[in-house]
Amino acid sequence: DTGVSQNPRHKITKRGQNVTFRCDPISEHNRLYWYRQTLGQGPEFLTYFQNEAQLEKSRLLSDRFSAERPKGSFSTLEIQRTEQGDSAMYLCASSIGTSGRSTQETQYFGPGTRLLVL
Amino acid sequence: DAKTTQPNSMESNEEEPVHLPCNHSTISGTDYIHWYRQLPSQGPEYVIHGLTSNVNNRMASLAIAEDRKSSTLILHRATLRDAAVYYCTSRSGTSYGKLTFGQGTILTVHP
Repeated sequence: DTGVSQNPRHKITKRGQNVTFRCDPISEHNRLYWYRQTLGQGPEFLTYFQNEAQLEKSRLLSDRFSAERPKGSFSTLEIQRTEQGDSAMYLCASSIGTSGRSTQETQYFGPGTRLLVL
Repeated sequence: DAKTTQPNSMESNEEEPVHLPCNHSTISGTDYIHWYRQLPSQGPEYVIHGLTSNVNNRMASLAIAEDRKSSTLILHRATLRDAAVYYCTSRSGTSYGKLTFGQGTILTVHP
């Protein structure tokens, strides 16, 4: 079990550029979550995948954000036309879910990708 | 989504017990309470979770109030490596298990 991995760990970009982050969940985990965390705050939910299907999106996920999980394995989060307000830590988590709305299973987080938009 | 409230910060001495409180008065009856901790520049790390009964694992104990409006994470003997931000979270049963985090408690452990 190698844990959840995220790449890159750090990204510096200029305002207006597009960026893409990758998350590799723990193998066999069918659920994948993206969160965003700004300095001094707890993580905030962005979106959720069950296998390859994106089943829930937060209102925080503006039109400039898009996430995919082709084939139900790794996931990518893309931000288009980045803004300085997008600067944050982007966290990915995965879990095994056996029922649609279980609240018991543990989510395992990756180390995050820290984005700085200049 | 249930809201959780925690003290901003707490301090402890090494090898002493630490009790980290959390209020979650709006939690629904089927939502589990999960605790995570986060070290600087790392993702949150799972600590413990429970529904109604008190829970123990190798890391900590979780005491849940009978009315489920509050819970307390207990570190039996704090070490310097326990210094972190501790988050009490709930998982929404009306959603697909997303975690709702508050601001967390910054735990400082003094040698």
